[in-house]
Amino acid sequence: ELKVEQNPLFLSMQEGKNYTIYCNYSTTSDRLYWYRQDPGKSLESLFVLLSNGAVKQEGRLMASLDTKARLSTLHITAAVHDLSATYFCAVDKTKIIFGKGTRLHILP
Amino acid sequence: DTGVSQDPRHKITKRGQNVTFRCDPISEHNRLYWYRQTLGQGPEFLTYFQNEAQLEKSRLLSDRFSAERPKGSFSTLEIQRTEQGDSAMYLCASSFWGAGNTEAFFGQGTRLTVV
Repeated sequence: ELKVEQNPLFLSMQEGKNYTIYCNYSTTSDRLYWYRQDPGKSLESLFVLLSNGAVKQEGRLMASLDTKARLSTLHITAAVHDLSATYFCAVDKTKIIFGKGTRLHILP
Repeated sequence: DTGVSQDPRHKITKRGQNVTFRCDPISEHNRLYWYRQTLGQGPEFLTYFQNEAQLEKSRLLSDRFSAERPKGSFSTLEIQRTEQGDSAMYLCASSFWGAGNTEAFFGQGTRLTVV
């Protein structure tokens, strides 16, 4: 059965710092997603990664995919307070399975 | 098209009552998913449809839960004899599966409180 593991689950960091969230999954997949969720809100799509070596960037966030290692990363560059949220990776193999999420708190 | 729409946004019900939620997907999307999310957890897969066919249902889903997508467009999720443990956010998502696959887009969710 497909399993998706994220780490860390909680992350508190200072503004201006860089950090990386890791997402490991247990079987081959068709697509990998990164979503953002603010408290009490639904999920906002950030990135869709389709193939090995895929890299996508939007502002201070960059996501990458290594299908051989079954690993995706979400890198945050020079964090700002507005990026505080919970970030989920999800693997799409007919059904979409989510990790437990990384709760990111960025201190001003 | 304004995206995935869910109704109602909030529902408070007494234990033992039945509730039904509706999801209207993005119009050209052929896949529709239902998830449940409790506080501090990731979305938990419940079931999904390809057009009108229900292709998979989570083993975690009790017989009190049923979902339909009668014409391959909107979907309903019914919970019978609600229990306090059913209190959660119920999320619907849709995508296009086929040539030119799209990502999955989520609705705003229905927050269920069972009292």
